[in-house]
Amino acid sequence: GAVVSQHPSWVICKSGTSVKIECRSLDFQATTMFWYRQFPKQSLMLMATSNEGSKATYEQGVEKDKFLINHASLTLSTLTVTSAHPEDSSFYICSARAHRPSGGTYEQYFGPGTRLTVT
Amino acid sequence: GQQVMQIPQYQHVQEGEDFTTYCNSSTTLSNIQWYKQRPGGHPVFLIQLVKSGEVKKQKRLTFQFGEAKKNSSLHITATQTTDVGTYFCAGMREGTGSGTYKYIFGTGTRLKVLA
Repeated sequence: GAVVSQHPSWVICKSGTSVKIECRSLDFQATTMFWYRQFPKQSLMLMATSNEGSKATYEQGVEKDKFLINHASLTLSTLTVTSAHPEDSSFYICSARAHRPSGGTYEQYFGPGTRLTVT
Repeated sequence: GQQVMQIPQYQHVQEGEDFTTYCNSSTTLSNIQWYKQRPGGHPVFLIQLVKSGEVKKQKRLTFQFGEAKKNSSLHITATQTTDVGTYFCAGMREGTGSGTYKYIFGTGTRLKVLA
């Protein structure tokens, strides 16, 4: 089956520094990747949609200058949290949409997530 | 904002009892997916429903997509302790660009099964 990896799986950083999270589709090409954020015991909130070769589309309320997304290839998207603050501490999960529709619809595969703690 | 609601928010059942979670969207969905997330884990895809009124079964799990494609349900028969986790629906909607889509997750239902 389709596999999506994320790196790192967890990271602790100091307030004011930047952190880059990678999302890779390992055995399929993903023209579209999604970045979600999840607080403890809450749902996944879509942050942005990342399309290969074009600018990401951010959801309302998500600062694009703070959460930089780069989708440089069909297998890699990165999320950089710039000037991180404690309130940015969260679980960040990416998902990748298969390049070809399966049965007429697209399937979405999730990475294992990255737990960010900003001190 | 994201407008896919699930009820109930929490459910505690005795092992062997049935469980149902309901998913409601404020807008029509292209399709709907269901995920299970164990504590500390990431969402795992369960199933996708596409057609109006569609019903699919996976062993003890029954999934249904409403006729208007705005609601869905997941029913578990005779729950087991391995069913513990949070169940999310995710509705597919058109994105802002032509031919783009995005998934909006429901609020989730956390299931606890008491042995």
